[in-house]
Parts: sequence; structure tokens; C-alpha cells
Amino acid sequence: KNEVEQSPQNLTAQEGEFITINCSYSVGISALHWLQQHPGGGIVSLFMLSSGKKKHGRLIATINIQEKHSSLHITASHPRDSAVYICAVRGSNYQLIWGAGTKLIIKP
Amino acid sequence: NAGVTQTPKFQVLKTGQSMTLQCAQDMNHEYMSWYRQDPGMGLRLIHYSVGAGITDQGEVPNGYNVSRSTTEDFPLRLLSAAPSQTSVYFCASSIGRADTQYFGPGTRLTVL
Repeated sequence: KNEVEQSPQNLTAQEGEFITINCSYSVGISALHWLQQHPGGGIVSLFMLSSGKKKHGRLIATINIQEKHSSLHITASHPRDSAVYICAVRGSNYQLIWGAGTKLIIKP
Repeated sequence: NAGVTQTPKFQVLKTGQSMTLQCAQDMNHEYMSWYRQDPGMGLRLIHYSVGAGITDQGEVPNGYNVSRSTTEDFPLRLLSAAPSQTSVYFCASSIGRADTQYFGPGTRLTVL
């Protein structure tokens, strides 16, 4: 079993829909990261969080440390949100453990 | 600031050839790392450096060498390329090892 599991693997939705991507992990962590990989390949960090909730524009990330679970939400989704969203957790040795990613397609 | 730059963007090698993937950052970051990305898998750490003159192995270091002679540069050397090294390679940097990482645009490497 992978230490970081993302679901779903693939998600297709219509423009305007509320999107939720999930990340579950099985190890103790000091922080959790959400990143976005554009269709062209570039990777951008979206959030780093260790508790609670963070919001940036239409993106919201939450984490429940007790349940070892995080969610990334996108409100009012748009075709430009189409990307691969990656969850990574930072373990006790500072190294990142990466999820395999969720491929999101937003149709106009 | 250019951020993190990588060269080349694309490279095709024959089995047994050697080459160096270049990575540079202009943000004065201490921590730099190299990852490879393969289809259906998460990023895997190859080597990392916590500062000039200090490097260490990651999860998949075999077949790769690194050095860090300056804060800015962190080249990755493939000693004798193998088809299993066909992948997309990303360099990343951060202020410290626990901070948000900034990624380069990637190098797509094919080994025939």
C-alpha cells in the first residue's frame, strides 16, 4: 500500500462545478503540500499546510491530522484549472513522499 | 528573477552515453533536489543538497551523480545512460529543506 494515496485518479467535470480531490496518508507528517502540474509539464506549489484550512482565490485546502486526510477544493471550476494535482507529505526525515496525482479535466 | 532553470529541455541519448543535466537557481536557496517523474508514479527523489559542498542520496540514486560547488548550481550527471533512465527530470529548490519548493521546467530524457 502506498504511503500517500490520492483519489480519484482521474476526474472530468463541467465548467462551474465544485471539485474535490482527496489525499490520504499513512505516516506521521510535519506538513502536507498540494501542487499543480500544468499540461505543459511545469509544477507549481499551491499550498503547504500542517493544520486547518488555507484559501487562495478559488482554491481551498484542508487537512485533518487525526484522520490523516487532506482535501483540495476548487470552486467555480474553469477549463484553465485542468491539470494534474499532486499531494505530497513531509515525513519526520524532512523528505517528501509523493502521491501519484489526480488528473483533472474541466470541460467548457 | 529567472527562478529555477534547467537545460536542456529535451535530450535523446544512446545506451552507454553520459551527459549532464544542468540546474541553476537565482533565489539564493540552500536546498536543491533532483526528481524523476515516470508515468503513473509520484515524483521520486534522486539526490539532494542542503547547501554548497553537501549532497546526499535520495530514493533512487543509482546511475546518477551530483555535485554542489556553488549555491546556484546543482548539475545531475548520468554516468552510463540506460533505457530505464528514460524519464522527465525536475530540479527544485527551496530556502530550507522543510520549505515550499520551486520547480524548474523539466528535462525530457529518452535513452535508446
